[in-house]
Amino acid sequence: KQEVTQIPAALSVPEGENLVLNCSFTDSAIYNLQWFRQDPGKGLTSLLLIQSSQREQTSGRLNASLDKSSGRSTLYIAASQPGDSATYLCAVIYGGATNKLIFGTGTLLAVQP
Amino acid sequence: DTEVTQTPKHLVMGMTNKKSLKCEQHMGHRAMYWYKQKAKKPPELMFVYSYEKLSINESVPSRFSPECPNSSLLNLHLHALQPEDSALYLCASSRGETQYFGPGTRLLVL
Repeated sequence: KQEVTQIPAALSVPEGENLVLNCSFTDSAIYNLQWFRQDPGKGLTSLLLIQSSQREQTSGRLNASLDKSSGRSTLYIAASQPGDSATYLCAVIYGGATNKLIFGTGTLLAVQP
Repeated sequence: DTEVTQTPKHLVMGMTNKKSLKCEQHMGHRAMYWYKQKAKKPPELMFVYSYEKLSINESVPSRFSPECPNSSLLNLHLHALQPEDSALYLCASSRGETQYFGPGTRLLVL
């Protein structure tokens, strides 16, 4: 069964800290992996997409890495801000005719001012 | 226009009611999706439409009936729902691999 797990489930850090969120997937034959952000009661915002052939992607203060062989991805957030507080979800796609996303369990991040 | 819109934002319905959720995008995306998200859980895929044809149905009960009238519009018709169907219903669309999500409809079934 294809499962995606995220650790930790919740994280609280003071403003300005650098932090790492972890995502692991049981089936390493992924097509690509996406990181999303979700604010409470809202939809999802796509942050980064990493193709299976790539090792990392960067956008501003965010850096996502992918180690397909070990079934892991990390999202690094530099110089965290209170506005970064949200739930972060990773999702994998295993290819095929349509983009079926399998979501991880999520990490709830709170950045304290 | 780079967004997916969903209406209504909130919906309360009884178990005998019939209602519909609406999703719209004008980005020219030819794949559209319905997801269900329970509190503190990740979204779960319900349906996928590709070029206005249903391509994936994740064994969703028939009380949920999707419809794709045209390439910009996706509906989810609801009938005889159960209280456990209360959730956030998310719509998404994609052209390539990145999916763009709407804000969701918060549904409460009494």
